[in-house]
Amino acid sequence: GQQLNQSPQSMFIQEGEDVSMNCTSSSIFNTWLWYKQDPGEGPVLLIALYKAGELTSNGRLTAQFGITRKDSFLNISASIPSDVGIYFCAGSNYGGSQGNLIFGKGTKLSVKP
Amino acid sequence: DTEVTQTPKHLVMGMTNKKSLKCEQHMGHRAMYWYKQKAKKPPELMFVYSYEKLSINESVPSRFSPECPNSSLLNLHLHALQPEDSALYLCATLGGLGYTFGSGTRLTVV
Repeated sequence: GQQLNQSPQSMFIQEGEDVSMNCTSSSIFNTWLWYKQDPGEGPVLLIALYKAGELTSNGRLTAQFGITRKDSFLNISASIPSDVGIYFCAGSNYGGSQGNLIFGKGTKLSVKP
Repeated sequence: DTEVTQTPKHLVMGMTNKKSLKCEQHMGHRAMYWYKQKAKKPPELMFVYSYEKLSINESVPSRFSPECPNSSLLNLHLHALQPEDSALYLCATLGGLGYTFGSGTRLTVV
């Protein structure tokens, strides 16, 4: 089946530093999504990417959909303590009203004040 | 309304109990999903409903029984669960802007 390789598995950074994480896949997706999950909560969508090569920003977050449709990265600039959490990439080939997400294993981000 | 609401938020049940998890959305999304998430792991797909019909069952044991009574509601009926079924159960919907997740039900089987 389809699998996503997400790296790094965890990061420990100082407040104010920039963060970069990425996902690669052995197969093509037509949609890439980045989620953040806080303990005991559901994943919250950060950025959705629908076109190969697309670069999208959401505040301090920037994500890109790779040209080959097999990879994506997420950058966080000037990290703050509330950025702490687990970040998941997810790929989908949904069409119409059906389709399911394939998740990466997550990147756990810790930020030291 | 852009939310997916799940109840209860926490549930503790014995292995002989019968309970139900509920999910509600009013976004008009026609695809609804149940995911199971163990600690420090990504969500894993359990069931997909499309237009209120079960379209995907990812080989989930029969002690989990999904139900979609109407386009706004999705239930997950639980019976004779095992301790290893303890997890965060997430409901999600799919619409024009992508997937929206609920906050989940933290289930503990004792």
